[in-house]
Amino acid sequence: EIVLTQSPGTLSLSPGERATLSCRASQTVRSNYLAWYQQKPGQAPRLLIYDASNRATGIPDRFSGSASGTDFTVTISRLEPEDFAVYYCQQYGSSPITFGQGTRLEIK
Amino acid sequence: EVQLVESGGGLIQPGGSLRLSCAASGFAVRSNYMNWVRQAPGKGLEWVSVIYSGGSTDYADSVKGRFTISRDSSKNTVYLQMNSLRAEDTAIYYCARYFDAFDAWGQGTMVTVSS
Repeated sequence: EIVLTQSPGTLSLSPGERATLSCRASQTVRSNYLAWYQQKPGQAPRLLIYDASNRATGIPDRFSGSASGTDFTVTISRLEPEDFAVYYCQQYGSSPITFGQGTRLEIK
Repeated sequence: EVQLVESGGGLIQPGGSLRLSCAASGFAVRSNYMNWVRQAPGKGLEWVSVIYSGGSTDYADSVKGRFTISRDSSKNTVYLQMNSLRAEDTAIYYCARYFDAFDAWGQGTMVTVSS
């Protein structure tokens, strides 16, 4: 099973700042099948990034994803008030599908 | 418009059974990989099960032998039969479509296992 470790656990930033969230895999993720989701309280997760670097439909271009070996990153270039939420990474390259434990992005 | 609507959750005693439903619209479940994902109160996301377009299935070790995923193409609905329920199965259960990762999610249905 691939274990995904997200860091930091909580990130405190202000609107307009740049956010960088990380996800490290315990082993190679096949074909970089790594996704990022945003979840707000009381809502289902929303797909942001798939295949490590492709934005999902309707996702603003301030969100970007990248990969380097077993390290994955999602960057929000300029935080908007609606971006404060919990973010999860997920690998879907091998079974079982696994998620990271989440990073909470909170307003400073 | 792609839409997923879960139902069937509720309060159930340990050892009991429950069947969750996920009604899809805007696409055919038989042509997609359909998943169940759960989230315990205040916790992260846990993948539970998948049914592939060809009909084969897969499960997380934590539910293998107790849960069964199936689909009814005529109703465009996916099911999760949950038997021998335990307190640790308490969670919101989401249905999700795999298409470029999990691109569509339902609103979830709450399952509480408690005496």
